[in-house]
Amino acid sequence: SYELTQPPSVSVSPGQTANITCSGDTLRNKYICWYRQKPGQSPVLVMYRNNRRPSGIPERFSGSNSGVTATLAISGTQPMDEADYYCQAWDNGYVFGPGTKVSVL
Amino acid sequence: EVTLVESGGDIVRPGGSLRLSCAASGFTFDDNGMSWVRQGPGKGLEWVSSVNWNGAITRYSDSVKGRFIISRDNAKNSLHLQMDSLRAEDTALYYCARERMYYDILSGREVSWFDPWGQGTLVTVSS
Repeated sequence: SYELTQPPSVSVSPGQTANITCSGDTLRNKYICWYRQKPGQSPVLVMYRNNRRPSGIPERFSGSNSGVTATLAISGTQPMDEADYYCQAWDNGYVFGPGTKVSVL
Repeated sequence: EVTLVESGGDIVRPGGSLRLSCAASGFTFDDNGMSWVRQGPGKGLEWVSSVNWNGAITRYSDSVKGRFIISRDNAKNSLHLQMDSLRAEDTALYYCARERMYYDILSGREVSWFDPWGQGTLVTVSS
């Protein structure tokens, strides 16, 4: 079955850029989306179709897919960005990455 | 406002059954596919099942295939998940989510995502 890989954690200083990666086979053939989940809350879509931001998501969130690695970048990271972030792809079913905990220190 | 509200979660013994429901509002329900996604305690997200707009096409993860049945009632704007032969590993918070999917002609690929998600309903399988 298809698998996506994410680093367990990413630490970033306030105001810096957090890069969250997501890798998997044949990523060039897939569109990736990203969800943010804060403790005790439901997941929220923050990026779809690799690099499209839903309404209400700040411009400091951006996405890319190099074909080998998909990346969610958060520029000017704020304490409110602390959360778990999950990537997701479609491969004869929906596949989620294991999630990355972003800490703003 | 698009809203999804799950219900039906409970404590059940291994081998038991449970039926989850999701009430949708704020959008044209039968214009969208719908899905169930679960999250075990302290774990990540796991896709469970999806149904297309009219209920004709259903998909299941290997972990629940043959035990769970997804269905929808477009007249009542509701989504359901019948869960049979429950196991301890089915213990999780079950989310209902609206599925957004389209086929991108230029790239020849499907584009899909979940938005929004409900607040979840807790299923605990324990003796």
